[in-house]
Amino acid sequence: GAGVSQSPSNKVTEKGKDVELRCDPISGHTALYWYRQSLGQGLEFLIYFQGNSAPDKSGLPSDRFSAERTGGSVSTLTIQRTQQEDSAVYLCASSLWGGESYEQYFGPGTRLTVT
Amino acid sequence: GEDVEQSLFLSVREGDSSVINCTYTDSSSTYLYWYKQEPGAGLQLLTYIFSNMDMKQDQRLTVLLNKKDKHLSLRIADTQTGDSAIYFCAEISSGGSYIPTFGRGTSLIVHP
Repeated sequence: GAGVSQSPSNKVTEKGKDVELRCDPISGHTALYWYRQSLGQGLEFLIYFQGNSAPDKSGLPSDRFSAERTGGSVSTLTIQRTQQEDSAVYLCASSLWGGESYEQYFGPGTRLTVT
Repeated sequence: GEDVEQSLFLSVREGDSSVINCTYTDSSSTYLYWYKQEPGAGLQLLTYIFSNMDMKQDQRLTVLLNKKDKHLSLRIADTQTGDSAIYFCAEISSGGSYIPTFGRGTSLIVHP
């Protein structure tokens, strides 16, 4: 079946511009996560959506970062006024709440380069 | 907060066994995972173990959990060049937010 998809796969933007990154989770997965992975670093948690509950935004590094999840499915991560330190791979994952193991299914990521 | 630690690099010869180690601090960890990340790809779940288990075997993979020492290991038997990747340890506490804590990943390099 279809896995988690993300678009675009690569994005190059100029410093100061806004970007939108998209994630399509696996159908039926109620939990959706965004992470950031910088070169040589582990996964930095950004935001977590679970069903209709208010999202857990505790990992967002600044108010330039925001995310939405429409209709419990597709999610968009928006970075306003991008900075060079925002350059990283942004990974999305979805999970079946109440599944046996709460394992996460990851998309291939969006590589963001801010010039 | 919770922390998950891994060594950053491991180099092995093809055909040997690889052992990747992980330590965690959260005593209420319920689920512990090993994910694999190949270049340019997202993470893929390899295996997981519940905290009430001490071992799980799946083909070439063996997971050992020492709950007392909060130590998790992944053993890959007969390591192949295709096993070269970054391996992430992660944990979830069932009484918490279900947001996993990941280690920084161990780069496994398999050479002929």
